[in-house]
Amino acid sequence: GAGVSQSPSNKVTEKGKDVELRCDPISGHTALYWYRQSLGQGLEFLIYFQGNSAPDKSGLPSDRFSAERTGGSVSTLTIQRTQQEDSAVYLCASSRDRGAEPQHFGDGTRLSIL
Amino acid sequence: GENVEQHPSTLSVQEGDSAVIKCTYSDSASNYFPWYKQELGKRPQLIIDIRSNVGEKKDQRIAVTLNKTAKHFSLHITETQPEDSAVYFCAGGNNNDMRFGAGTRLTVKP
Repeated sequence: GAGVSQSPSNKVTEKGKDVELRCDPISGHTALYWYRQSLGQGLEFLIYFQGNSAPDKSGLPSDRFSAERTGGSVSTLTIQRTQQEDSAVYLCASSRDRGAEPQHFGDGTRLSIL
Repeated sequence: GENVEQHPSTLSVQEGDSAVIKCTYSDSASNYFPWYKQELGKRPQLIIDIRSNVGEKKDQRIAVTLNKTAKHFSLHITETQPEDSAVYFCAGGNNNDMRFGAGTRLTVKP
């Protein structure tokens, strides 16, 4: 079926505003991940969801960041009171399992904070 | 938890030469090691993976080797072409955890 879908593809907002980024994983994939990638940098793990288990939030950089996954499918990453250092590409990935299956990435949301 | 280190951070080779990227991992329980290629402005995509029950896997010009005793694994690209230029990420993990290396920027000069 379709791959991982993320929206919006680009988001420009003013410092201090809240933003919501959406990820629609591949149907049937129980594991969902959010990563942040700054320009020319690696993949910074943010949060992980697996089925109905409590999410692994160990990568969230501050309490301004939160994420939820409703109905075990679509996930939303929310950044409150955005700062300029939040500017990055936010990538979502899904897989059939956490660590033993390939992750399939979306095209990402490029977030720019003015 | 798992910690994956990747070297080198940048690699430049002449077209036709081989390229080798090396990664080490910390958790002996890790049993799955994928490699991803990310072209400029694109999403990371899986190019090859290896599980802990084998020591080597090959797919055309790319191969991956795994040394469980030393806890390191490597990506080998032979007969490199300009379109191999990209950032390559290794990763290691198991059912409980999966971590990525910091990436290697490979440039293949024509």
